[in-house]
Amino acid sequence: AQTVTQSQPEMSVQEAETVTLSCTYDTSENNYYLFWYKQPPSRQMILVIRQEAYKQQNATENRFSVNFQKAAKSFSLKISDSQLGDTAMYFCALYSSGSARQLTFGSGTQLTVLP
Amino acid sequence: GAGVSQSPRYKVAKRGQDVALRCDPISGHVSLFWYQQALGQGPEFLTYFQNEAQLDKSGLPSDRFFAERPEGSVSTLKIQRTQQEDSAVYLCASSQRLAGPLSSYNEQFFGPGTRLTVL
Repeated sequence: AQTVTQSQPEMSVQEAETVTLSCTYDTSENNYYLFWYKQPPSRQMILVIRQEAYKQQNATENRFSVNFQKAAKSFSLKISDSQLGDTAMYFCALYSSGSARQLTFGSGTQLTVLP
Repeated sequence: GAGVSQSPRYKVAKRGQDVALRCDPISGHVSLFWYQQALGQGPEFLTYFQNEAQLDKSGLPSDRFFAERPEGSVSTLKIQRTQQEDSAVYLCASSQRLAGPLSSYNEQFFGPGTRLTVL
């Protein structure tokens, strides 16, 4: 079985500042993918960024970047220059080659960007 | 283009009623997934279809839950004799190609979900 743990239920950050959301995971597979999803109040799950486990280079998408530590099974999300529109629930998720075809999600972190 | 749509967006049912939740995936998407998201939690996998074949239903919590995708496009999740613990948001996702352990990941696109409240 694979698990994803997010230990920060809530976080807040001032607009234009930087914030880091934490995630740890566990899987016995060697080939897997990690994701950060954003879920605003509309409930639409939006993919923010993805990381393939075999790639050593950390993924970056504009203001969003990850710190992927494979040995430690850690996958944190850094949001730079936070904007009010970043306010949402953020979920870390795992997909592995050996699992069934589903994503395994963490319990989420509610991020609030303060004006 | 159109994304994944789900209907209804909200459903209130009395305990014991049957409900049917609909998912319209992105046109041409082969794979379809259902997830259950309890309040304050992350989504949890329920079941997976490849075209019309239900390849994995290991996440369905009881035999009161049933899903179908008869023509390989629209899918319906049916819950019989609803209980209060069934209250949750039900999310549907689709992906373009086959999902499987030997294939690379194909992005799952999510719908807005159906919020089910059982009184």
